[in-house]
Amino acid sequence: AQSVTQLGSHVSVSEGALVLLRCNYSSSVPPYLFWYVQYPNQGLQLLLKYTSAATLVKGINGFEAEFKKSETSFHLTKPSAHMSDAAEYFCAVRPGGNEKLTFGTGTRLTIIP
Amino acid sequence: ETGVTQTPRHLVMGMTNKKSLKCEQHLGHNAMYWYKQSAKKPLELMFVYNFKEQTENNSVPSRFSPECPNSSHLFLHLHTLQPEDSALYLCASSQGRTVSSGNTIYFGEGSWLTVV
Repeated sequence: AQSVTQLGSHVSVSEGALVLLRCNYSSSVPPYLFWYVQYPNQGLQLLLKYTSAATLVKGINGFEAEFKKSETSFHLTKPSAHMSDAAEYFCAVRPGGNEKLTFGTGTRLTIIP
Repeated sequence: ETGVTQTPRHLVMGMTNKKSLKCEQHLGHNAMYWYKQSAKKPLELMFVYNFKEQTENNSVPSRFSPECPNSSHLFLHLHTLQPEDSALYLCASSQGRTVSSGNTIYFGEGSWLTVV
């Protein structure tokens, strides 16, 4: 069975500072990994996904994530935070050949002016 | 306009009411999903449909009854719900069962349900 752990349910960073949101996964087969963002009162929007191609994945809005198999991690980063980045971020894993997507509990990102 | 549209966006219902949530996807996908999002809990997959056939029921109580008349429409019929069923219900769709690099799951904006 697969699972996802997001360390830190709340993260606060200053505007212009580095954003780092952590995600660790467990999967018995090579996984597909996703980051979704949810802005207030909206559904989930795909930020980026890893599908066994390049380990460093670039997404929308300047975000990127690096797949590290040895660490079973897929942390999300952005070099410089904007106020508009304030949202909840979800990491998700789906084992190859399986349609079931398992989500983490989410990390709420707050940007300090 | 998003590719996945959900109505209503907000619904308040009593425990004895019968109501339905509707989802429509305009992406040409053949798999559709219902997820439940409660505060401080991970998103919970409820149902999966692929080519109109239910392929997964994640031990959901029978007071939730899904219906998928075609690959573009998905309903969630609600009957005799409990206050703890209050949550955001998210519909999603994807290209299909076979996982490939294109099989991203796309979400609607959700239906906020309050059971009183």
